[in-house]
Amino acid sequence: GAGVSQSPRYKVAKRGQDVALRCDPISGHVSLFWYQQALGQGPEFLTYFQNEAQLDKSGLPSDRFFAERPEGSVSTLKIQRTQQEDSAVYLCASSLSNDQPQHFGDGTRLSIL
Amino acid sequence: AQSVTQPDIHITVSEGASLELRCNYSYGATPYLFWYVQSPGQGLQLLLKYFSGDTLVQGIKGFEAEFKRSQSSFNLRKPSVHWSDAAEYFCAVGQPGGGGGNKLTFGTGTQLKVEL
Repeated sequence: GAGVSQSPRYKVAKRGQDVALRCDPISGHVSLFWYQQALGQGPEFLTYFQNEAQLDKSGLPSDRFFAERPEGSVSTLKIQRTQQEDSAVYLCASSLSNDQPQHFGDGTRLSIL
Repeated sequence: AQSVTQPDIHITVSEGASLELRCNYSYGATPYLFWYVQSPGQGLQLLLKYFSGDTLVQGIKGFEAEFKRSQSSFNLRKPSVHWSDAAEYFCAVGQPGGGGGNKLTFGTGTQLKVEL
């Protein structure tokens, strides 16, 4: 596709359930980023991939958060045993290389009940 | 650690008036600087970027920004605002050559309202 695609757009889960969020980056983009955007805040960095290698996961808030990009294209962000504070919009971005601007998807709005 | 401050949470301007959104950053060297715009329910769209060179940067939709090293600022401007510019605007900094692949640090955003 022409842009970064994220699915689902909306996800509602009960506290304690596991969720998986998908990101399909722009074709050929080497770098992929995940950000978390709480209501009324700016996005905050979670993790970064260069191709299939996860080079930076310093922003993941706990070991319940896990991300992968096994073939260097599609990425999945998984949250285990969800808690209410995980409610946020999760944004995925990709770029052609480290020194190119990031292009963002429309995000997945996650609501934990 | 790098940080970004957007001092104005909300700004209201009349259509046709000029606009300036403020952004100050904290970083040890010259960072990469960005302005993004976000409409409700949408992702972030890049307005403009500064990597190096000319400190006055032109972007899309008639926006421009000026990098001022002495003030650690990267303010966004537009000479005449259109009603369709109403949205949330985010300033962001990236670390050149950093191991984090240029991960971005965002400000908290400025919500722009345009009065007709």
